[in-house]
Amino acid sequence: QKEVEQNSGPLSVPEGAIASLNCTYSDRGSQSFFWYRQYSGKSPELIMFIYSNGDKEDGRFTAQLNKASQYVSLLIRDSQPSDSATYLCAVNQGGKLIFGQGTELSVKP
Amino acid sequence: KAGVTQTPRYLIKTRGQQVTLSCSPISGHRSVSWYQQTPGQGLQFLFEYFSETQRNKGNFPGRFSGRQFSNSRSEMNVSTLELGDSALYLCASSLEGVVWEQYFGPGTRLTVT
Repeated sequence: QKEVEQNSGPLSVPEGAIASLNCTYSDRGSQSFFWYRQYSGKSPELIMFIYSNGDKEDGRFTAQLNKASQYVSLLIRDSQPSDSATYLCAVNQGGKLIFGQGTELSVKP
Repeated sequence: KAGVTQTPRYLIKTRGQQVTLSCSPISGHRSVSWYQQTPGQGLQFLFEYFSETQRNKGNFPGRFSGRQFSNSRSEMNVSTLELGDSALYLCASSLEGVVWEQYFGPGTRLTVT
């Protein structure tokens, strides 16, 4: 079992829709959780982090964390073509980030 | 505030050679981590330095090493390069704290021929 798992996609949504990205992790001791966006040929860009159970909202982005289920998700509301990228889930294990393989999101105009 | 910088951005080396990559963190950040990104393995943690000490290490062979200087700048070295070392090498810096969010530099694209 991989330490951090994501659906590889591609996930395709129409412009203006809600995109839902999911991630599960295996280490119950993980303390904080991150979503990065990576455009093709670029380095990962931090979008959001969350460390408490529940929801955290930042503009069009909402991160959700359920530690009991070892599950993290990212919702993108009003998706735009510019949101088309690979989204990486990362889990902090004692100062090192363990990444999932990433979910490729495509937003169609 | 300036972001994380990495030099060089692109590098072509031959098998058996060695290479040194450099990373300058965001001002005030004392933690520097290195990652390798390949299409097959994704993003993998190499090591993390804080105050010139290696605090965490990933599952890479001893050919991969690093160090950190008193100004928090960091270098990583790969000796006896293999074709499989071709990858994007990313450096990330962070402030120590509960959340420990990391910010990535643009990366160094290493090609081994």
